[in-house]
Amino acid sequence: SQTIHQWPATLVQPVGSPLSLECTVEGTSNPNLYWYRQAAGRGLQLLFYSVGIGQISSEVPQNLSASRPQDRQFILSSKKLLLSDSGFYLCAWTALRGRNTEAFFGQGTRLTVV
Amino acid sequence: KQEVTQIPAALSVPEGENLVLNCSFTDSAIYNLQWFRQDPGKGLTSLLLIQSSQREQTSGRLNASLDKSSGRSTLYIAASQPGDSATYLCAVSTNTGNQFYFGTGTSLTVIP
Repeated sequence: SQTIHQWPATLVQPVGSPLSLECTVEGTSNPNLYWYRQAAGRGLQLLFYSVGIGQISSEVPQNLSASRPQDRQFILSSKKLLLSDSGFYLCAWTALRGRNTEAFFGQGTRLTVV
Repeated sequence: KQEVTQIPAALSVPEGENLVLNCSFTDSAIYNLQWFRQDPGKGLTSLLLIQSSQREQTSGRLNASLDKSSGRSTLYIAASQPGDSATYLCAVSTNTGNQFYFGTGTSLTVIP
């Protein structure tokens, strides 16, 4: 069966520090991978998605970047965090199977920038 | 751009009651629609997936319907239980299946 791992679960970082959040998927190959952010009281905002190694699409211009160094690994990064980067970050994957494409999510990372 | 709205934002019901959660979307050219459950501080758990050509899906006490032409979906929960308390989110995917747009969710509280 497929599983998705996301870490760390919680993170407190000072303003101006770098960020690296990692997400890996097991039990599938060539998944579509996604990073979402969920701010308090708001819906999920799509940040990045990737359809293959080295292929990254950015949805929102911001202080963050994403990379996909391996087929089942997706990394969210920042060189210098801002207070506004605080939020709940979720990684997700899908395996395109026609219209039966279903999204599965990791358990999320709670990031607090202080 | 696709916009997804969920009404109501919050709902409180006594245990045992049947309830309906609503989801509407502005662009009917969707690939599919998915309902999720989110517990506080946790990730999203997939509940039901409805393909754009389908009208409903059922899983246990849950039934989701889709009316693509009117841009609406409903999630029906029968005989609600306190364990159903969570936030319920709907998401629609674009006609390429690569992107998902989420509503802001309905926070459900089932009172014992």
